[in-house]
Amino acid sequence: EADIYQTPRYLVIGTGKKITLECSQTMGHDKMYWYQQDPGMELHLIHYSYGVNSTEKGDLSSESTVSRIRTEHFPLTLESARPSHTSQYLCASTPEGTTTQYFGPGTRLTVL
Amino acid sequence: SQKIEQNSEALNIQEGKTATLTCNYTNYSPAYLQWYRQDPGRGPVFLLLIRENEKEKRKERLKVTFDTTLKQSLFHITASQPADSATYLCALVHGGGSQGNLIFGKGTKLSVKP
Repeated sequence: EADIYQTPRYLVIGTGKKITLECSQTMGHDKMYWYQQDPGMELHLIHYSYGVNSTEKGDLSSESTVSRIRTEHFPLTLESARPSHTSQYLCASTPEGTTTQYFGPGTRLTVL
Repeated sequence: SQKIEQNSEALNIQEGKTATLTCNYTNYSPAYLQWYRQDPGRGPVFLLLIRENEKEKRKERLKVTFDTTLKQSLFHITASQPADSATYLCALVHGGGSQGNLIFGKGTKLSVKP
């Protein structure tokens, strides 16, 4: 198991609430990612970061935002959650010089 | 447009048999191809990476082949066990060599029956 952590594991929240999904890794990896995955579907990249103070949008447009103030921490924020945001959110990181990704356990978000 | 296809959504086999999963891609020229395992409600776990100049890679009961002419990778699990039941994802590096991001297929759900 990789040393990458996500909290909370499950979140049920009402429409309009602001939420932050936490992702931390203790491996010192510079590159980190956020994916969105619906049941039975492929992972879609929504954000990534090359390192501190770097954030990039992924292939799938998302209303979420991310920040990277510390190497080990890459939180994702939704300012106003909607039912369309219901999904599994997966965080990952990559050692320098490789493309292999190490994933956290995911956060299952349900917006009512 | 660029596409990755894993040929079966689900594959059911008997314990002890060899499972063969297929990954086809179009409009890519990947330098690497990777296979991951994903269990329900969990993040994917890296299994194997194969480079474009490698025909075959093995790790214990796992074997991956990579045919850049056919634009296809095959993933084999020999002597399959019920514990091998999971969804298997193939992924390609999209642009930028070792700086590129991964594009994932939808996966094939493997069920190994005792």
